[in-house]
Amino acid sequence: GIQVEQSPPDLILQEGANSTLRCNFSDSVNNLQWFHQNPWGQLINLFYIPSGTKQNGRLSATTVATERYSLLYISSSQTTDSGVYFCAVVGTTDSWGKLQFGAGTQVVVTP
Amino acid sequence: DAGITQSPRHKVTETGTPVTLRCHQTENHRYMYWYRQDPGHGLRLIHYSYGVKDTDKGEVSDGYSVSRSKTEDFLLTLESATSSQTSVYFCAISEATGKETQYFGPGTRLLVL
Repeated sequence: GIQVEQSPPDLILQEGANSTLRCNFSDSVNNLQWFHQNPWGQLINLFYIPSGTKQNGRLSATTVATERYSLLYISSSQTTDSGVYFCAVVGTTDSWGKLQFGAGTQVVVTP
Repeated sequence: DAGITQSPRHKVTETGTPVTLRCHQTENHRYMYWYRQDPGHGLRLIHYSYGVKDTDKGEVSDGYSVSRSKTEDFLLTLESATSSQTSVYFCAISEATGKETQYFGPGTRLLVL
């Protein structure tokens, strides 16, 4: 099946800093989503971005499908940005939309 | 956010007992999924449904069964709970398979003693 690798595994930021999270995937995809899992365990949709660039407030994402990677940018980080960020994909050969998750990037934003 | 609820939100049960988790959606989406999240394994698909009474197995389906008698409800049953099924269970919905956003419910924390 499709492999999803996220880097870095851990990230410690001071409030106000910018950061970039990376997601590499091993095959063509129909779907790529970024999620934020907050400290209460809730999975929050950030972006649906199988290709192109999107922005939502301080967050933006870019997926270069031909090179099989996606980047999530966090600007002016806040303590509420802490949590785990997951990248998940659906491969083009998957008939039923199974999301394959990466291992996540644990982000800690300190005051 | 999509209208997805899961019940119960927390459950403690004993080994060998049956357990049913419920996922309810108000979006009228055709596709529904059950995932489990475990440390070191991320989220893995248990079962999915592509319509009323249409379900199939995911990658970690052993020990689980599902049913979908109405569009809005997708039930996950642990026939005889084991300690290895202690996990956080998430339900997800999607309007179309594979090419649309999947939205996740709040999760159910299950502890099997």
